Amino acid sequence: QITLKESGPTLVKPTQTLTLTCTFSEFSLSTGEVGVGWIRQPPGKTLEWLALIYWDDDERYSPSLRSRLTITKDTSKNQVVLTMTNMDPLDTGTYYCAHSPYYNNYFFDYWGQGTLVTVSS
Amino acid sequence: DIQMTQSPSSLSASVGDRVTFTCRASQSISNYLNWYQQKPGKAPKLLIYAASTLQSGVPSTFRGSGSGTDFTLTISGLQPEDFATYYCQQSYSSPPTFGQGTKVEIK
Repeated sequence: QITLKESGPTLVKPTQTLTLTCTFSEFSLSTGEVGVGWIRQPPGKTLEWLALIYWDDDERYSPSLRSRLTITKDTSKNQVVLTMTNMDPLDTGTYYCAHSPYYNNYFFDYWGQGTLVTVSS
Repeated sequence: DIQMTQSPSSLSASVGDRVTFTCRASQSISNYLNWYQQKPGKAPKLLIYAASTLQSGVPSTFRGSGSGTDFTLTISGLQPEDFATYYCQQSYSSPPTFGQGTKVEIK
């Protein structure tokens, strides 16, 4: 059974950089087709896709947030890391990482439990 | 970006009811439409992908249909555990986008 789990700070100050780690099991990011993505959800609102990385290091980003995001992977640790710069209170929300089973088809079949990030001074 | 519009935003129903709600894309997305269920405080769960393919382990009371711009999710025989918010998502082009959700509440 594929599992993913997010970790990182629960509170960041405005202008700081957020670093979130997704640790996964029962699949490898060194085999074909699969990817890991990040999706966030502000309180009471809908979901917003942020970024995705594939087994071959192909990186995809939300155009509206591209300048602030970096996604990387560490295949040996089964981890994917998302960094988001210049955090703002509007970035408050639950951040999820999720498994994407097919290349270039952006849907997610397994999700982490999510981690709530609050941006406040 | 492709805009996804769901209707209604909420509905009230009883256990055993059949409910249908819709999702409309701002342009044709073929069958690249996925449905998720989310309960309060939990991560979304994939129910249906490619408009009508049931994800493994999802009961057959869930049925998805549609292509192009108009899609529907039907739940036949609502169960207590089905009361949740349902989101559609297009995976036709980047960035993938989600609808605003339909909340199914107990009448």
